[in-house]
Amino acid sequence: KAGVTQTPRYLIKTRGQQVTLSCSPISGHRSVSWYQQTPGQGLQFLFEYFSETQRNKGNFPGRFSGRQFSNSRSEMNVSTLELGDSALYLCASSLSPNSRGTGELFFGEGSRLTVL
Amino acid sequence: SQKIEQNSEALNIQEGKTATLTCNYTNYSPAYLQWYRQDPGRGPVFLLLIRENEKEKRKERLKVTFDTTLKQSLFHITASQPADSATYLCALVGTDKLIFGTGTRLQVFP
Repeated sequence: KAGVTQTPRYLIKTRGQQVTLSCSPISGHRSVSWYQQTPGQGLQFLFEYFSETQRNKGNFPGRFSGRQFSNSRSEMNVSTLELGDSALYLCASSLSPNSRGTGELFFGEGSRLTVL
Repeated sequence: SQKIEQNSEALNIQEGKTATLTCNYTNYSPAYLQWYRQDPGRGPVFLLLIRENEKEKRKERLKVTFDTTLKQSLFHITASQPADSATYLCALVGTDKLIFGTGTRLQVFP
């Protein structure tokens, strides 16, 4: 079956702009988690959605937001971009909620965002 | 404070040897611990999950141990190959979300 699909793979934005990233989970997976990965900080949890509800949110400012649609596809949005938002944004889907830790996360290839 | 620590320095070993990577955690009491592999520019790929009541788990050339007293997990790759070169991440549930360590880069040279 198809894996997790993230679009776009690469994008370049300037400070102050906003960006929307998309994630299509594996068919049948209802949980979608988003992570930000930077060389210095590693994988940082952004938020998790399960059945269209945000279950948990990491320590990121309100400029970072997300949502999940009824078909489990998810989007995340970053407004008023800052240089420090340059990172690889990874989406992961799973059958059970991320918080249980009992099931593996299936990651997409990520969206590499560069903010100039 | 809560921490997951993996050796940030790269581990360089010769092909055929056993690679051992360490994951230490503080102020967590995870019931499960997971290991992932990540290649440059790619998303992490799940390798193994071990439960707190399991001391050891194996999958082909991989072996994971979980010591809840020491608050440590060890990840072993036996008969390592250059294709095993990657970054390896441990992860556990903390505050209702899966938290990842920063990973250890493994380099296997011929």
